[in-house]
Amino acid sequence: DADVTQTPRNRITKTGKRIMLECSQTKGHDRMYWYRQDPGLGLRLIYYSFDVKDINKGEISDGYSVSRQAQAKFSLSLESAIPNQTALYFCATSGTDSNQPQHFGDGTRLSIL
Amino acid sequence: QKEVEQNSGPLSVPEGAIASLNCTYSDRGSQSFFWYRQYSGKSPELIMSIYSNGDKEDGRFTAQLNKASQYVSLLIRDSQPSDSATYLCAVNSLASWGKLQFGAGTQVVVTP
Repeated sequence: DADVTQTPRNRITKTGKRIMLECSQTKGHDRMYWYRQDPGLGLRLIYYSFDVKDINKGEISDGYSVSRQAQAKFSLSLESAIPNQTALYFCATSGTDSNQPQHFGDGTRLSIL
Repeated sequence: QKEVEQNSGPLSVPEGAIASLNCTYSDRGSQSFFWYRQYSGKSPELIMSIYSNGDKEDGRFTAQLNKASQYVSLLIRDSQPSDSATYLCAVNSLASWGKLQFGAGTQVVVTP
């Protein structure tokens, strides 16, 4: 089983719908991240959480919200989806040591019509 | 100026040759450096970590770090078609402690 699991893997929905992307991990990491990736733009950080009670905005948080339900679970919500949120979304985790790398889930391909 | 810069490519490499990828970073206080490989439509996969100046080898991959010149490079020896991917450089700097700064990636195409 994957250490970082994202659900759903693919989602097609309509403008204005509320969408939740979920991430769970079995790595025992405290730190979790949400990124989006668009062609030619690289990875952009949406939100990150260093522990259950810590939530921080990344560089592109507008239009998104997150919830850290437990150490192992970090979900990303789009309250009212718009077409320019169509992208590939990745969850990642890392240990408490800031020098440790991040480990990524398989991603969610989200299309908003 | 972007914090982490890479040539976007594509870098075309004949099969069996050495692919050389470069990455420069702006924060002189950066402490840890990573290379990820990403196949199209897939997630980034960690292939190398390097923390101190010099070379680090792992199989066909060698990472090189020069903190004085603020660059990190990745060499892929005996390149194979399966090495065709985008390679992301990631840097953990003091200014962004706990968050990685990613370059936009270099696309490598290995031609038979």
